[in-house]
Amino acid sequence: QQPVQSPQAVILREGEDAVINCSSSKALYSVHWYRQKHGEAPIFLMILLKGGEQKGHDKISASFNEKKQQSSLYLTASQLSYSGTYFCGTEGQGTALIFGKGTTLSVSS
Amino acid sequence: GAVVSQHPSWVICKSGTSVKIECRSLDFQATTMFWYRQFPKQSLMLMATSNEGSKATYEQGVEKDKFLINHASLTLSTLTVTSAHPEDSSFYICSVGKQGYSNQPQHFGDGTRLSIL
Repeated sequence: QQPVQSPQAVILREGEDAVINCSSSKALYSVHWYRQKHGEAPIFLMILLKGGEQKGHDKISASFNEKKQQSSLYLTASQLSYSGTYFCGTEGQGTALIFGKGTTLSVSS
Repeated sequence: GAVVSQHPSWVICKSGTSVKIECRSLDFQATTMFWYRQFPKQSLMLMATSNEGSKATYEQGVEKDKFLINHASLTLSTLTVTSAHPEDSSFYICSVGKQGYSNQPQHFGDGTRLSIL
């Protein structure tokens, strides 16, 4: 079942923060986060595997609340390069990923 | 370097033509590859799971006779869109993940933009 992402779109100025949420109606064993620029392939950001896990890279981090079947992606002090569509992916059959509808982030100077 | 190579990058052809898209795993042998389709401003929708040496597993609503998948080797899967029509125009993208390792990222090809006139 497709995970639900919110919000659908975010507009920021450079330096501002954003939070993107991903939730599922079923128990999650892992959550994958990707960013896609227009016309390009999705780029892997991070995977969260355990309840309570938090990960971060540079100024992008994520948390995984397993009990709530939810994950959040945090973008701090956003840069122009952060613009794109962010997808969370949860596991379907086997290791295939089922993606949410995406959150479009627009960062302007 | 690239982990997955997808070819061609874009195709423009007439209605009724069949189009073949190749997906190659460059970094490791892949018994499983995945095919996704993405319409403009929409999410990546899983079409099918390609299994080396056996039949592909199609998602509900995807016509297996229209979207033929062949996974003849551990590094190559092909998707053939048969008798393509304008409604098949989309961005097709494959991905590869290490079999049995759900805690590993999926590596995506660069995608194929298909336009049917």
